[in-house]
Amino acid sequence: AQTVTQSQPEMSVQEAETVTLSCTYDTSESDYYLFWYKQPPSRQMILVIRQEAYKQQNATENRFSVNFQKAAKSFSLKISDSQLGDAAMYFCAYRGNTDKLIFGTGTRLQVFP
Amino acid sequence: GAVVSQHPSRVICKSGTSVKIECRSLDFQATTMFWYRQFPKKSLMLMATSNEGSKATYEQGVEKDKFLINHASLTLSTLTVTSAHPEDSSFYICSARGGGSYNEQFFGPGTRLTVL
Repeated sequence: AQTVTQSQPEMSVQEAETVTLSCTYDTSESDYYLFWYKQPPSRQMILVIRQEAYKQQNATENRFSVNFQKAAKSFSLKISDSQLGDAAMYFCAYRGNTDKLIFGTGTRLQVFP
Repeated sequence: GAVVSQHPSRVICKSGTSVKIECRSLDFQATTMFWYRQFPKKSLMLMATSNEGSKATYEQGVEKDKFLINHASLTLSTLTVTSAHPEDSSFYICSARGGGSYNEQFFGPGTRLTVL
């Protein structure tokens, strides 16, 4: 069975600085997707970024980028120029052949002015 | 586009009563919807996969007779918590799978259920 692990329950960053959230996963599948979701206090899940496993190039979305290391089964999220609005829970998620999303336990990100 | 709504956003009910939560895809058709449960400060746990026109597929450990799922149309899935008990109090989130290259799941805003 696939698993997703987020080893950082909480992280903090100063406004305008850069922070990296860690995620590792375990799977025997070769074709899958990885996602980072943001859950602000409103509890609405928002897709931050996705990565297809077959693509070697790391995905980027404005200030958000990933470091995808397929062999190491690692998928970290880098947030550059952090803003107060980035404060939220961040969930790493895996989707393989079953079409189900498997979530990690989440990392709470605090942003200090 | 790709908006998913849930109703109600909050509900408080007495123990022993049943509560229905609706999940609607507002601007797209969704043959598959998913129901999650989230405990405070915890991750999302998939409860069941809802397929339009067929029976839902429940995850291990989820009581299908307690959590009734109906996906009667391509834009609506409902979750009914039957004979609710205080331990059913939780945050319930649905998602709808869109089409396109990524078959991405779009999430509803969630429903907070409190059982007294």
